[in-house]
Amino acid sequence: DQQVKQNSPSLSVQEGRISILNCDYTNSMFDYFLWYKKYPAEGPTFLISISSIKDKNEDGRFTVFLNKSAKHLSLHIVPSQPGDSAVYFCAANQAGTALIFGKGTTLSVSS
Amino acid sequence: DTEVTQTPKHLVMGMTNKKSLKCEQHMGHRAMYWYKQKAKKPPELMFVYSYEKLSINESVPSRFSPECPNSSLLNLHLHALQPEDSALYLCASSQRLSGEAFFGQGTRLTVV
Repeated sequence: DQQVKQNSPSLSVQEGRISILNCDYTNSMFDYFLWYKKYPAEGPTFLISISSIKDKNEDGRFTVFLNKSAKHLSLHIVPSQPGDSAVYFCAANQAGTALIFGKGTTLSVSS
Repeated sequence: DTEVTQTPKHLVMGMTNKKSLKCEQHMGHRAMYWYKQKAKKPPELMFVYSYEKLSINESVPSRFSPECPNSSLLNLHLHALQPEDSALYLCASSQRLSGEAFFGQGTRLTVV
């Protein structure tokens, strides 16, 4: 049973435009949500997180939105840059548990 | 310092070998994790240590044996592995058992 779902395996965006990556979850006990970026053969790099008591968190070009009623979160990257091309993983956990990851979305930003 | 250091970066071992993967962090984090990642798949949790005690073991075969000698170090001892165990092994740490986890660069393990 997949508790964290990223239903789009890939996304292609032009440089300068907005990238929107989506994530759905099924476990209503999750209280912390994170996005990681990963290059091949490297460990995931933490990007941005959001607590369940918030609906938006912004850090530079990255903004995460959380819709608890829909059990949905999204990562917005504006403006997108070629260096943003990577696999993006959505992850979630609740107090006392380890992160559970979605399957990832491969973002390709073309110049 | 937000670094988690894993050694070695690459490891090739035979099915009868015994080897160890090492992980170190100096962020004062009290939770440390081992994840396994196969190509085109998400990281899968193997083990979690919280305050140097094993708190989660995700039904991992006994040929993988974790060890947490102190709050900064985490080892994964490998013995009699199978070719299907070839993967990227990731170590991570977090302040406590939840919240942001910081990952090392991983050890690319190939079992021949």
